[in-house]
Amino acid sequence: KAGVTQTPRYLIKTRGQQVTLSCSPISGHRSVSWYQQTPGQGLQFLFEYFSETQRNKGNFPGRFSGRQFSNSRSEMNVSTLELGDSALYLCASSLGGLGTEAFFGQGTRLTVV
Amino acid sequence: GESVGLHLPTLSVQEGDNSIINCAYSNSASDYFIWYKQESGKGPQFIIDIRSNMDKRQGQRVTVLLNKTVKHLSLQIAATQPGDSAVYFCADTFQGGKLIFGQGTELSVKP
Repeated sequence: KAGVTQTPRYLIKTRGQQVTLSCSPISGHRSVSWYQQTPGQGLQFLFEYFSETQRNKGNFPGRFSGRQFSNSRSEMNVSTLELGDSALYLCASSLGGLGTEAFFGQGTRLTVV
Repeated sequence: GESVGLHLPTLSVQEGDNSIINCAYSNSASDYFIWYKQESGKGPQFIIDIRSNMDKRQGQRVTVLLNKTVKHLSLQIAATQPGDSAVYFCADTFQGGKLIFGQGTELSVKP
């Protein structure tokens, strides 16, 4: 059974650009969550999608957005990139019920220069 | 607000010893807790979970203890091995898909 797949693994962008990251969850999983990991702030929740609907949202500016498709694949977009957006972006998938295991992908390492 | 904290940022143990990593949480409504292990360059890996109606859960070489009275949980690793070296995170959730993570404890195992 394939795990959570995130693409691309590495990305370098310039300030002001926008970026789209992709996450393919484990087959059968309907919930996809996104997290930002930085040395200073640790792992912070961005948002969660379940059956194409955003179910939970963290405390990030509106430049961070996401969506989920009917096959449960998810994308997150960051517009008007800032240097501080450099981070490891992680996606996790789960069956989606309360208190269910969440499995993470390898992450996308975004560097903004 | 919500927060999950860890008591120690680093822990160094001798190979073969037992390791104990602690975590405190603030939300008394939290009903599900997970421990993750993250190795360098990888995403967090699920280790073990526990629900709020339990005090203890055991896995292979790992045990999680939950004390709801003081809002504290711990991860015990028996016979720690070099392959256990990693950063360990506790996370709690009370809203399904939203995990609140602690800052992490870096475990180093000395051979």
